[in-house]
Amino acid sequence: GAGVSQSPSNKVTEKGKDVELRCDPISGHTALYWYRQSLGQGLEFLIYFQGNSAPDKSGLPSDRFSAERTGGSVSTLTIQRTQQEDSAVYLCASSVGTSGNEQFFGPGTRLTVL
Amino acid sequence: AQKITQTQPGMFVQEKEAVTLDCTYDTSDPSYGLFWYKQPSSGEMIFLIYQGSYDQQNATEGRYSLNFQKARKSANLVISASQLGDSAMYFCAMREIVRAGANSKLTFGKGITLSVRP
Repeated sequence: GAGVSQSPSNKVTEKGKDVELRCDPISGHTALYWYRQSLGQGLEFLIYFQGNSAPDKSGLPSDRFSAERTGGSVSTLTIQRTQQEDSAVYLCASSVGTSGNEQFFGPGTRLTVL
Repeated sequence: AQKITQTQPGMFVQEKEAVTLDCTYDTSDPSYGLFWYKQPSSGEMIFLIYQGSYDQQNATEGRYSLNFQKARKSANLVISASQLGDSAMYFCAMREIVRAGANSKLTFGKGITLSVRP
């Protein structure tokens, strides 16, 4: 069975441009999470989707960040008008549900804003 | 609010020896789960071990064990018989045990770098 996949693996963009990052969770996993990891740092929670419930957006750093999850599966994280401080690795994780102990992580998307 | 603290600088261990990576946490939730993840240079996050706050026994998974001291709010990871492939960043993380509708996001520490010497 496939794990969590993310695309692209690397993205270089110019300051001010919009970017979209994609996450395909493990099939059947109802919970999906986005985290951000800046260089040499731990992971910072961004947003969480669980089934049909309203997402928890409490970790989004600004209104330039948004995410959606279509059909309870694939998720897209969008960053508008990117800034240099947005440069980081963006990690997606999924779990069986809110009661699942383990979150399975994707390989991440390395975003570089020039 | 939850908080995870990993204050050790880079750690070094001789191959085949045991090493302890420290983690302390702070939470007002009575129910929570503690995790350790490994992140090698390739970048993927690899789940190692889980401990629930109400678990009576310390968790073990192969060469990994978690030294859970609830009163001290510590959850140290012990790696026995270190291997060269254990060289990586190690992250401690915590989440509240989910109640209906509650978020189960993980709160991570800043990580510890472990280097295994041959």
